[in-house]
Amino acid sequence: GIQVEQSPPDLILQEGANSTLRCNFSDSVNNLQWFHQNPWGQLINLFYIPSGTKQNGRLSATTVATERYSLLYISSSQTTDSGVYFCAATYGGATNKLIFGTGTLLAVQP
Amino acid sequence: DTGVSQDPRHKITKRGQNVTFRCDPISEHNRLYWYRQTLGQGPEFLTYFQNEAQLEKSRLLSDRFSAERPKGSFSTLEIQRTEQGDSAMYLCASSRGQLNTGELFFGEGSRLTVL
Repeated sequence: GIQVEQSPPDLILQEGANSTLRCNFSDSVNNLQWFHQNPWGQLINLFYIPSGTKQNGRLSATTVATERYSLLYISSSQTTDSGVYFCAATYGGATNKLIFGTGTLLAVQP
Repeated sequence: DTGVSQDPRHKITKRGQNVTFRCDPISEHNRLYWYRQTLGQGPEFLTYFQNEAQLEKSRLLSDRFSAERPKGSFSTLEIQRTEQGDSAMYLCASSRGQLNTGELFFGEGSRLTVL
């Protein structure tokens, strides 16, 4: 099956810093989503981005499907950005199964 | 849109007991999913319903696990004869359409601790 790898595995930032999280996938994907899991465990959709670039406030994401990676940019980080960021993808005929990556644990310090 | 809701949020049980979790999806979503997440890992797919039909089950779902969605609305996930290895966060999610073209929305999860 498809492998979804994320880097870095963990990251510590000072408030106000920028960061880039990366997601690599081993095969062509139909769909790619980025999620933020808050400290209470809830997964929140950030982006549905099978290709191209999207922006939402301080966050933006780019997926280059032909090169099998996606990037999540966080600018002017805030302590509330802390948590785990996951990318997840569907591939092939498995159109109803999201495969999650290993996650990036982000800690933003005041 | 009230979001996906799960109940209970936390459950502590003794090994060998049965537990049941409930999920209420977003009302207009016909697809419902169960995932399991252990500490330090990403969520892993367990099973998926389209309306009331259970269309796919992971091999992670042993015969002690059963999921239902009797009227195509809420769903239950039951674990019989719990084992310590069942301790995890059980996440429910729903979507309007297929995931290759749409987004998945998660509930807050039900955390199970088996003593």
